[in-house]
Amino acid sequence: GQNIDQPTEMTATEGAIVQINCTYQTSGFNGLFWYQQHAGEAPTFLSYNVLDGLEEKGRFSSFLSRSKGYSYLLLKELQMKDSASYLCAVIGQAGTALIFGKGTTLSVSS
Amino acid sequence: GAVVSQHPSRVICKSGTSVKIECRSLDFQATTMFWYRQFPKQSLMLMATSNEGSKATYEQGVEKDKFLINHASLTLSTLTVTSAHPEDSSFYICSAIGVESYTFGSGTRLTVV
Repeated sequence: GQNIDQPTEMTATEGAIVQINCTYQTSGFNGLFWYQQHAGEAPTFLSYNVLDGLEEKGRFSSFLSRSKGYSYLLLKELQMKDSASYLCAVIGQAGTALIFGKGTTLSVSS
Repeated sequence: GAVVSQHPSRVICKSGTSVKIECRSLDFQATTMFWYRQFPKQSLMLMATSNEGSKATYEQGVEKDKFLINHASLTLSTLTVTSAHPEDSSFYICSAIGVESYTFGSGTRLTVV
């Protein structure tokens, strides 16, 4: 079966760093995505990892370890607008639908 | 590039009626589109995979006679919620594989009263 786990909720303060973890067990692996989603809106692409290692893009970084079935999204210099749901999604077989985790709701306070 | 237009963004319908949601790929051809449903505070759950010119593939537990999917052209897929009930109220969103990556429509908030 397919299983993608991530924490349900996290809280942090402005200016801090937060790491959101994601573990996955899927039949096949062709990449992992991180999306940000605000309530009632479509997901917004943040990052894509297909090879092991760290991908950095501004305040956001994403890490992948295929052997461990593990990824994390690192958000630096948190801002209030970063309060949102963060979704980890995996491509199992190439060309198939993204399989989403349940999402992590991040609340950033001042 | 790789834009998917989804319409309508919001719809309220009476119980027992049908609602059609459209997704169009504007600048690319989408031979495959995916339909998701998202309940409040939950993640996106795949409902079905829509293939141009053939029958859709539904996920387990999704009623194909209730959620009719038509993908008659390379740029248009439609989802019709038939005989809608209040429990069908949800956020429906489509996705397609664009030139470089997955692209999402803007979503449709369906409320059945």
